Amino acid sequence: DAKTTQPNSMESNEEEPVHLPCNHSTISGTDYIHWYRQLPSQGPEYVIHGLTSNVNNRMASLAIAEDRKSSTLILHRATLRDAAVYYCILRDNYGQNFVFGPGTRLSVLP
Amino acid sequence: NAGVTQTPKFRVLKTGQSMTLLCAQDMNHEYMYWYRQDPGMGLRLIHYSVGEGTTAKGEVPDGYNVSRLKKQNFLLGLESAAPSQTSVYFCASTNRQGGYNEQFFGPGTRLTVL
Repeated sequence: DAKTTQPNSMESNEEEPVHLPCNHSTISGTDYIHWYRQLPSQGPEYVIHGLTSNVNNRMASLAIAEDRKSSTLILHRATLRDAAVYYCILRDNYGQNFVFGPGTRLSVLP
Repeated sequence: NAGVTQTPKFRVLKTGQSMTLLCAQDMNHEYMYWYRQDPGMGLRLIHYSVGEGTTAKGEVPDGYNVSRLKKQNFLLGLESAAPSQTSVYFCASTNRQGGYNEQFFGPGTRLTVL
């Protein structure tokens, strides 16, 4: 699986939008972009994924660059509960596992 | 529907002791995985299984064994625990292979080896 690069940490104020970036310059055409998050003392949980087009769900939006070398996870209104480590992961159809990097630790300030 | 459950939640072992961690899923998933997470790090794959009766090595398999005798259960064994195996262990499952499929994770087992 190709590698991703994320900032170590980010801060946001409560009820403001948050844009979490991810670079994946070696992405291949069959790689899906996944985002997971890990709340304190919990297992990772799925947030969103996409291939080429931007995606929206009840938790977040995923904006994918036209060349697919980067993507951004958007939390539209951060809450204190969104404080977590966010992982950007690439996965192709043949990969048996997710390769987790250190992720971005998001702090949400009241 | 409990999802993915792990037993036990916490365990303290002495060096050289053995133990088995149990992962169970009730979603009829084919694929199951064991990861470990060290402080400040991402998850690393230990072993995985693509179906009942099958297992395969992941990134960091040394010192661990696994078994998948039933589709819903995936066991992780430590035959002779070492302090380097102090970590949080997560189990995950997914219904099939494919880049679009999400993994469902359990709550984790915190293991300390003295």
